[in-house]
Amino acid sequence: DAGVIQSPRHEVTEMGQEVTLRCKPISGHNSLFWYRQTMMRGLELLIYFNNNVPIDDSGMPEDRFSAKMPNASFSTLKIQPSEPRDSAVYFCASSPAVRVVYGYTFGSGTRLTVV
Amino acid sequence: AQSVTQLDSQVPVFEEAPVELRCNYSSSVSVYLFWYVQYPNQGLQLLLKYLSGSTLVESINGFEAEFNKSQTSFHLRKPSVHISDTAEYFCAVRANTDKLIFGTGTRLQVFP
Repeated sequence: DAGVIQSPRHEVTEMGQEVTLRCKPISGHNSLFWYRQTMMRGLELLIYFNNNVPIDDSGMPEDRFSAKMPNASFSTLKIQPSEPRDSAVYFCASSPAVRVVYGYTFGSGTRLTVV
Repeated sequence: AQSVTQLDSQVPVFEEAPVELRCNYSSSVSVYLFWYVQYPNQGLQLLLKYLSGSTLVESINGFEAEFNKSQTSFHLRKPSVHISDTAEYFCAVRANTDKLIFGTGTRLQVFP
């Protein structure tokens, strides 16, 4: 298995532009999680899905952030408009199920820089 | 609500020395505990986990962690570290919710 695949690996954009981050979970994993990692805040859970349905988006910073999971093999995290404070590494992770006691498998992350 | 505390943000050690990375959690219910490792410019990888049973769990690369319910701790240890163990280590807890809550991480720096 190729693991959790995220794209792009690096993204540099100007303030005000729309940014779309992509994630392909491991086949057969029913749960998908988006995390953001910064030096100041560490790892923050933004949103997670179970069977393509958003379960908890309480970690999404504000309305500029949105996430979708149109099918079991693809998810996007969109920031519109982007701001410098959104600069961070964004990780996607997947798990076989939400309430089963598995750990998560993380992707390699997308390093976002907003200038 | 659950929470995880990693008191040490950085732990410098010399190669072949023992190391302990501390993790304490808070929860009013039974928990599942995890340690993840993050090498530079990579995602997090599961190192080991405690679900139930034996309170001492081991990883394939020589790390071990012991679940101590009375002290609400899950410290990570290795008797002799290598340069290649230099990384960031995250403790995480999962209770009867869907979320995995991470600590702030401990950067282990191994010097020759």
